[in-house]
Amino acid sequence: AQSVAQPEDQVNVAEGNPLTVKCTYSVSGNPYLFWYVQYPNRGLQFLLKYITGDNLVKGSYGFEAEFNKSQTSFHLKKPSALVSDSALYFCAVKLTRGSYIPTFGRGTSLIVHP
Amino acid sequence: NAGVMQNPRHLVRRRGQEARLRCSPVKGHSHVYWYRQLPEEGLKFMVYLQKENIIDESGMPKERFSAEFPKEGPSILRIQQVVRGDSAAYFCASSPPGTLASTGELFFGEGSRLTVL
Repeated sequence: AQSVAQPEDQVNVAEGNPLTVKCTYSVSGNPYLFWYVQYPNRGLQFLLKYITGDNLVKGSYGFEAEFNKSQTSFHLKKPSALVSDSALYFCAVKLTRGSYIPTFGRGTSLIVHP
Repeated sequence: NAGVMQNPRHLVRRRGQEARLRCSPVKGHSHVYWYRQLPEEGLKFMVYLQKENIIDESGMPKERFSAEFPKEGPSILRIQQVVRGDSAAYFCASSPPGTLASTGELFFGEGSRLTVL
């Protein structure tokens, strides 16, 4: 079984400030972890993924995420937020073995204020 | 456009009618996934298909819903006798074959938004 929790429905941050969008996961094995972004009335776009290796993963648009196995977390971060980063962010997990189907979290709405 | 193509983008149906949603995956991708998005509920898995095979339909309602991915042509998600609770955005995603199906990201379409009156 696999599941993802995004504990915050909404995150508010001022432009220029660092942002963090939280994600924790539960799997019965080693995970593959993903972040996607969804802009209004659009499909999801891939941001970054953790497969193996370095726990700090860098992705598109200046985003990065840190895999923490002991805390089963994969928080999304960006050092300096832009108003254009405002969107819905989804964390997803897949087992490394036995499943091709990612499970998505409920999504976190990020609002960056000018 | 080499991305995942979904149509129609918007579909309005009256209760009891049928809805057919189409998805053409990225060229060369042989894995197709359907997800449903409802407000406050996030993205819920429905069905996973490969060409001519349903691999996992554990997220599909037992009645009225069906999916196919024929050898030729797009994948189709079919909802018979729609009810108001079927109103949602339906997203199709695809991934390439082989190991990338498990390690790689999904490529999503823009979604089909179904409204049931």
